[in-house]
Amino acid sequence: LAKTTQPISMDSYEGQEVNITCSHNNIATNDYITWYQQFPSQGPRFIIQGYKTKVTNEVASLFIPADRKSSTLSLPRVSLSDTAVYYCLVAPGRRALTFGSGTRLQVQP
Amino acid sequence: GAVVSQHPSWVICKSGTSVKIECRSLDFQATTMFWYRQFPKQSLMLMATSNEGSKATYEQGVEKDKFLINHASLTLSTLTVTSAHPEDSSFYICSAGTSGRESYNEQFFGPGTRLTVL
Repeated sequence: LAKTTQPISMDSYEGQEVNITCSHNNIATNDYITWYQQFPSQGPRFIIQGYKTKVTNEVASLFIPADRKSSTLSLPRVSLSDTAVYYCLVAPGRRALTFGSGTRLQVQP
Repeated sequence: GAVVSQHPSWVICKSGTSVKIECRSLDFQATTMFWYRQFPKQSLMLMATSNEGSKATYEQGVEKDKFLINHASLTLSTLTVTSAHPEDSSFYICSAGTSGRESYNEQFFGPGTRLTVL
């Protein structure tokens, strides 16, 4: 499975846009890129998934360049409740996920 | 989205006893479920892959005789921690993938079970 690298932590303020970039240089052709959010003592929650270009849903956008060696999760106008750990994963369909260290996002008032 | 439940949400047991954790897919069928373990301030670590109607596949370093997995139906997988010890205290999380296109990999996670072994 492709290994991912993300910043250990990020700080932001309420109302700002937050972009978290993930590197996955060894991504395979059949790998999808998925982002999860995890709050303390809860299971991870699916945020967004993409294969290439840009994907947008009601909570986030995912930008994937043509070479797919990285991806950026964009959270518009974050709030205090967005404080969590964000995981970037790459894997083929319906396979077990290998979690990296994730990015701990702290949103300040 | 699909819902995955776990029971119990937390459990405290004495050292040497066994604890069973249930993972259920509530509104979809899951031929495959995954069990993860998470220690404080650390990431999730895959323990095993649970396959309906067949033996589970364990990750390297995970004792299959200590962590018994049974996937008896398409909506239920159980993890039994046998002869639990304090070092088994952790947050156990299961996940299940929805059926559909093989290339799609949206997994839904349960809320987790906090195990504390005294």
